[in-house]
Amino acid sequence: DQQVKQNSPSLSVQEGRISILNCDYTNSMFDYFLWYKKYPAEGPTFLISISSIKDKNEDGRFTVFLNKSAKHLSLHIVPSQPGDSAVYFCAASGGYGGSQGNLIFGKGTKLSVKP
Amino acid sequence: KAGVTQTPRYLIKTRGQQVTLSCSPISGHRSVSWYQQTPGQGLQFLFEYFSETQRNKGNFPGRFSGRQFSNSRSEMNVSTLELGDSALYLCASSLSSNPNQQYFGPGTRLTVT
Repeated sequence: DQQVKQNSPSLSVQEGRISILNCDYTNSMFDYFLWYKKYPAEGPTFLISISSIKDKNEDGRFTVFLNKSAKHLSLHIVPSQPGDSAVYFCAASGGYGGSQGNLIFGKGTKLSVKP
Repeated sequence: KAGVTQTPRYLIKTRGQQVTLSCSPISGHRSVSWYQQTPGQGLQFLFEYFSETQRNKGNFPGRFSGRQFSNSRSEMNVSTLELGDSALYLCASSLSSNPNQQYFGPGTRLTVT
């Protein structure tokens, strides 16, 4: 049973426009969420995170929105650049005992930004 | 500050053999987690170490084990390799104050033939 779901396997966006990547989760105990970007044959690169006590976090071109009631988060990239083309993973963790260091990942969304 | 390093980057082993992978965390990071990435299952948590103790473990068989040294460097071992163990093995480190904000290494690509 997938606790973190990224329902869009791929997304194509024009350079300069906004990219919106979505993620849904089922476990209400999750209290920390992260987005990673991954190129082939490399490890995931941390992009941005958000605690469940917030509903928005911004870092440069990247903004993450969290809707706890809908168990949904999204990553906005504005403006999108060709170098943003990669696979994006959503990850979640819980604050409950025994969950330290255990990130639950979605399957990823492949973003293609076209010049 | 140097990132997480993993050695070796690539490895080819035969079924039944065992393998040891190494991870050096970012300086000052004391928590190390290991993940397996396969096309079918995605990224799956193996285990997490802090202060030389395994603090959390995922749903993998006992053939998968690990340890952490006093300098926070970590190793994972897979015994009696199976074809299905072919995967990218990723190590991530984090500060003890926030074990969930993890920074990943480049991974070790293991191929079992």
